[in-house]
Amino acid sequence: GQQVMQIPQYQHVQEGEDFTTYCNSSTTLSNIQWYKQRPGGHPVFLIQLVKSGEVKKQKRLTFQFGEAKKNSSLHITATQTTDVGTYFCAGPPTGANNLFFGTGTRLTVIP
Amino acid sequence: DAGVTQSPTHLIKTRGQQVTLRCSPKSGHDTVSWYQQALGQGPQFIFQYYEEEERQRGNFPDRFSGHQFPNYSSELNVNALLLGDSALYLCASSFRTSGRGDTQYFGPGTRLTVL
Repeated sequence: GQQVMQIPQYQHVQEGEDFTTYCNSSTTLSNIQWYKQRPGGHPVFLIQLVKSGEVKKQKRLTFQFGEAKKNSSLHITATQTTDVGTYFCAGPPTGANNLFFGTGTRLTVIP
Repeated sequence: DAGVTQSPTHLIKTRGQQVTLRCSPKSGHDTVSWYQQALGQGPQFIFQYYEEEERQRGNFPDRFSGHQFPNYSSELNVNALLLGDSALYLCASSFRTSGRGDTQYFGPGTRLTVL
């Protein structure tokens, strides 16, 4: 079955340091989406990438979709305490409309 | 513009009981998906409703059933509750465009505890 793994599982950084999480799917994805879930909250949509090799930026966040459309990454520059939470990548299974979520990376930012 | 709303926010049940959770999608959305999120894990897809029919289903037993109403709102029913059903149940709505991983907007969830 389809698997979407993320590494690392946990990451502690000092405020101001950079952070990267990597997402790898066992199957090719038609698109990849990233969500952020704050502690005690619900997943909030960040961005969707569709094209092979696509790169998108949102302020300090940079998202990439791999050439083979099986992997993706999220990079945060100069982390802030507001970046705390779990970051999930998610993609639709082949021919489906639901999302298959990755295992998530929990980010802690130390002030 | 109201986002996705869910009720109740918290629920405590005992094993063997039945529960119904409710969801109203974001205005303009026509598709509702339900996810189960156990503590420390990512959301797991239960099923998706579009045009009042179950269109897709994840790997969940028949104890999990649902319904979508003409106004696009939805219910999730779980029968014969087990301790392992304790989780955060998330409703997500979307507007069907490509039908291939449309962006999902999540509600705040219902925290179900089974004792």
